[in-house]
Amino acid sequence: GQQLNQSPQSMFIQEGEDVSMNCTSSSIFNTWLWYKQEPGEGPVLLIALYKAGELTSNGRLTAQFGITRKDSFLNISASIPSDVGIYFCAGQRLNNNDMRFGAGTRLTVKP
Amino acid sequence: KAGVTQTPRYLIKTRGQQVTLSCSPISGHRSVSWYQQTPGQGLQFLFEYFSETQRNKGNFPGRFSGRQFSNSRSEMNVSTLELGDSALYLCASRGQINEQFFGPGTRLTVL
Repeated sequence: GQQLNQSPQSMFIQEGEDVSMNCTSSSIFNTWLWYKQEPGEGPVLLIALYKAGELTSNGRLTAQFGITRKDSFLNISASIPSDVGIYFCAGQRLNNNDMRFGAGTRLTVKP
Repeated sequence: KAGVTQTPRYLIKTRGQQVTLSCSPISGHRSVSWYQQTPGQGLQFLFEYFSETQRNKGNFPGRFSGRQFSNSRSEMNVSTLELGDSALYLCASRGQINEQFFGPGTRLTVL
């Protein structure tokens, strides 16, 4: 099935830096979700977006639902070592019950 | 509310055997989806169950099957295991809005 294009694949940053990652698709989605996964665990939902143009924050995390409904981005401000993990975007279309996932962005934060 | 639970957390099987994995969704959630996660392929959708009926299915061979019980608990079964079936199998439950919550996963190793 169609997957989402997520970039970058990996990021190595210094503690305190800001991070930005995004997901794009050739199709329109009605819901965009962002997850974080740590080793040996399942993905944990960070932010859910339901409306084009919507901008939602969760602490130092901010995500936006693109106006075209074909993309979304996630920003992390002032990164800390516990931000380390793999971040996944997920999109769902209105008439389709399964979710499509990006390949993930592996984030490494150096103290 | 308790989160999504999966059992067992770890499993080692040999080629040709079959395996059954279990998932208990968040209380009140009627939708359960199963995913296979491997380093090379990322998160791949297996199937979704809703009210004991398979609502959607990904592109996996018939060796992969599932079912859902009246209490929304779900099981997935893989028969005639192959080495390539080694993966983290994730279950996710969803309520009335499009937010999927994942369990911790079952790590299956096929020798």
